[in-house]
Amino acid sequence: RKEVEQDPGPFNVPEGATVAFNCTYSNSASQSFFWYRQDCRKEPKLLMSVYSSGNEDGRFTAQLNRASQYISLLIRDSKLSDSATYLCVVKTSGTYKYIFGTGTRLKVLA
Amino acid sequence: GAGVSQSPSNKVTEKGKDVELRCDPISGHTALYWYRQSLGQGLEFLIYFQGNSAPDKSGLPSDRFSAERTGGSVSTLTIQRTQQEDSAVYLCASSSSFSGNTIYFGEGSWLTVV
Repeated sequence: RKEVEQDPGPFNVPEGATVAFNCTYSNSASQSFFWYRQDCRKEPKLLMSVYSSGNEDGRFTAQLNRASQYISLLIRDSKLSDSATYLCVVKTSGTYKYIFGTGTRLKVLA
Repeated sequence: GAGVSQSPSNKVTEKGKDVELRCDPISGHTALYWYRQSLGQGLEFLIYFQGNSAPDKSGLPSDRFSAERTGGSVSTLTIQRTQQEDSAVYLCASSSSFSGNTIYFGEGSWLTVV
C-alpha cells in the first residue's frame, strides 16, 4: 500500500462547480499535511497547509480527519485557472521526509 | 534571488555521458532535497541534506547518482553514464524550521537522455 494515495482523476467540472478531493495516508504518526498545486511542466507550489481544525483560504478549504487518516481539499466556484494537478503531501513526526501523492488532475471546463 | 534556483533548466545529453545539475536553495534554508519526476508520474525522493549532518541518500536509484552540498548551501546532483531511463525533471527544494516546515521548489532541471 502506498504511503499517500490519491485518486488520479481527471475530475472534469464546469466553471462555478464545487469539487472535492480526498487523500489517504497510511502512517498514523504523520504530523504535517499540505496541498500543493502543480501546473503542466511546472514545479509544485504550495497551495495550503492543512491544520487539525481545518482551514480556509478564499475558495479553498482543507480538512484533516486523523481518525480515518485522510485529508481533503474543497474548491468552491471553480475557475478555469484552477485546472492543474493537486498533490497531497504528508510529513511524519520525527522525520524530514515529505511524501507526495501522485496527484489528482482537475480540469475546469468553460 | 528569493527562490530556489536550479541550472541548467534544460539539458539534452547523449547516453553514457555524465551530467551535473545545480541547486541554489533559498538563503538561510538549512534543509535541501532532490526529487525526480518522470513524465506523468509522482515525485520520487532522491536525497536530503540538513545542515552539516550526513545526507540521507536512501532514495538514490543507483550508484551512478551522487550529490554533494558544499558549505551548507549550493548542491550538485551528478548522474554518471546517463541512461535513457534517467530522462526526467529533477526538482530541488529547500526548507527551514522558520518556513513552517513548508518546502519550496525550484523550477527544475529537465533532463533528456538520447
